[in-house]
Amino acid sequence: GEQVEQRPPHLSVREGDSAIIICTYTDSATAYFSWYKQEAGAGLQLLMSVLSNVDRKEEQGLTVLLNKKDKRLSLNLTAAHPGDSAVYFCAVKNSNNRIFFGDGTQLVVKP
Amino acid sequence: GPKVLQIPSHQIIDMGQMVTLNCDPVSNHLYFYWYKQILGQQMEFLVNFYNGKVMEKSKLFKDQFSVERPDGSYFTLKIQPTALEDSAVYFCASSLEGHTNERLFFGHGTKLSVL
Repeated sequence: GEQVEQRPPHLSVREGDSAIIICTYTDSATAYFSWYKQEAGAGLQLLMSVLSNVDRKEEQGLTVLLNKKDKRLSLNLTAAHPGDSAVYFCAVKNSNNRIFFGDGTQLVVKP
Repeated sequence: GPKVLQIPSHQIIDMGQMVTLNCDPVSNHLYFYWYKQILGQQMEFLVNFYNGKVMEKSKLFKDQFSVERPDGSYFTLKIQPTALEDSAVYFCASSLEGHTNERLFFGHGTKLSVL
């Protein structure tokens, strides 16, 4: 089945710096890709989703890149601020409509 | 926006007891899901449910687990009997049509502590 690897597991950046999180997946038939944010004690907040025919999507300081050849999905927070501190998960949905999550990245943004 | 509500947010029970986790999905959604997240680990798929039936389940969905949504009320996950390894956060999700390119709406999770 699908395997998703996410790195890094922990990331610490200064306010205003970029933070980049990367996921790789194995199933080339994967059709739908998402990034979620999970704050302490809260549920999953969908940040952005892209279909497999999209290479790049930008919204509100977030950039998602999809490299289908390398089966790599990335999330770039271009100017992080302390409110971005949370755990971030990538999620890929395969043709059977099952979602596979990465292990999560604990992001800490220091003032 | 549409919200999925999970009740309770935290449940503590003794090993061997039965527990029911409740999920109030988005009102017009037809597909329902449970995911399990052990502390510090990734979320893993348990089961999806449509039209009164389990469509797909993972190996984590043990025989002690069952799901139902009687008469359009809560979508429930029942564990009977519970085991220590069932301690985790359980996330419910729903979607309208179950398409591959359709987002899921997640609840905030129910933290289950089995003592």
